[in-house]
Order: sequence, then structure tokens, then C-alpha cells
Amino acid sequence: NAGVTQTPKFRVLKTGQSMTLLCAQDMNHEYMYWYRQDPGMGLRLIHYSVGEGTTAKGKVPDGYNVSRLKKQNFLLGLESAAPSQTSVYFCASSYGEEKFYGYTFGSGTRLTVV
Amino acid sequence: AQSVAQPEDQVNVAEGNPLTVKCTYSVSGNPYLFWYVQYPNRGLQFLLKYITGDNLVKGSYGFEAEFNKSQTSFHLKKPSALVSDSALYFCAVKESSASKIIFGSGTRLSIRP
Repeated sequence: NAGVTQTPKFRVLKTGQSMTLLCAQDMNHEYMYWYRQDPGMGLRLIHYSVGEGTTAKGKVPDGYNVSRLKKQNFLLGLESAAPSQTSVYFCASSYGEEKFYGYTFGSGTRLTVV
Repeated sequence: AQSVAQPEDQVNVAEGNPLTVKCTYSVSGNPYLFWYVQYPNRGLQFLLKYITGDNLVKGSYGFEAEFNKSQTSFHLKKPSALVSDSALYFCAVKESSASKIIFGSGTRLSIRP
């Protein structure tokens, strides 16, 4: 009963490098989300998905891309990392509207861009 | 558009005293309201929610929250604080028709022995 699993947990990138963060959930949730957490700014939504093959922009999507090829996985990509993308990234998942009761969160990925 | 505000960056309480962490919201229609807690270097954990029903909602670790529609508030409360309650608390809201939750900026709760 893993819930939501994020990999990696920590990463240091050089400016301009690319990477992919993986989020996997085993609860058969329809919706999945990527947030970033920065001091004093709470959680800000980057991108989200309401089903396999669908993605949508959140509040801070610039510099990120996502894909949801399988229902259980939601990938967040950084094509050319910038220091402003240093943050803690959280993935979350939930049921759809009919059964919605809130999010289940992963444990986070701490990313540092130098 | 939905929004949520946590007016206090930090709340300090002595152990054994009651605590309140404030939250106000703005949505169109009926709100779904949540409280999450984050301990250091951890993800967010669900505490409680209001979707429908009784205005007083009880959650994990002895916490409760009261939905007040006229004041558009959803304050988190606990009758007797513990040092282990020290953490970062997030209030969150979702419009019933929306597919995503909006989070407040967080309130750091510090309980002194």
C-alpha cells in the first residue's frame, strides 16, 4: 500500500540541464497534480491531469512540461533548469469529482539548481 | 475564482492551552474545505475536511474545525496543545465544480513546553 511515490527524493542540477521527476500512485486515482513549495508562498500548482492522456496548466507552468501516458504515472520535466526552479516539488493524486475527498501527497523531491 | 487566506504566518501557544489557526476563503458556490499538516522534511498529511453536513468537523490528532458560511471561515482548533503539534499547517479550498485545490500560504504553529 505505497500510496503516492516520488522519485528521486533529492537532486542537484546545473543550470541548463534537464531532468524528469516521476510520480506514481497505486490508488487508481483519476486526478494527479504537481505543486512546488517555496518559503512563504505555500503550494503553487504547476500542472495537473484529470485523466490518462490529459494535462492542463496550473498557476506556474512556465519552464515545465508534463505527461500522463499511464493512469498511475505523472511525469514532470524540466527541459533547461534555472536557479529559480530550486524548490521542493510535491505530487498529489485524488479521485474524480464523484468520489473526491481530498489529496494524497507524495513525500516530495528537493531540487537544487546551481 | 477560488482563494484562501491564512492571516497569521506564525502562531505561538503554550502547551496545554487551546489553539486556533485561522483560515478564510472565497469561492463561488459550495466549498470543499481542508486542513493539512506538514512536519519538517515531510510531505503534507490530511487532517480533516468539510464537504457537507455538520459545521463542526473532527479530524486527526484531536483537531477540529468549524465551517462558518456567513463569515466564510474554517478555523482549525484544538482544546489542549501538545509540543508535538508544532508544524506547518495549510488551509485549502476547492469549489465543488473545480478539479483542483487551492492552498493558503501556511501558518507555522509553535507549541512551547
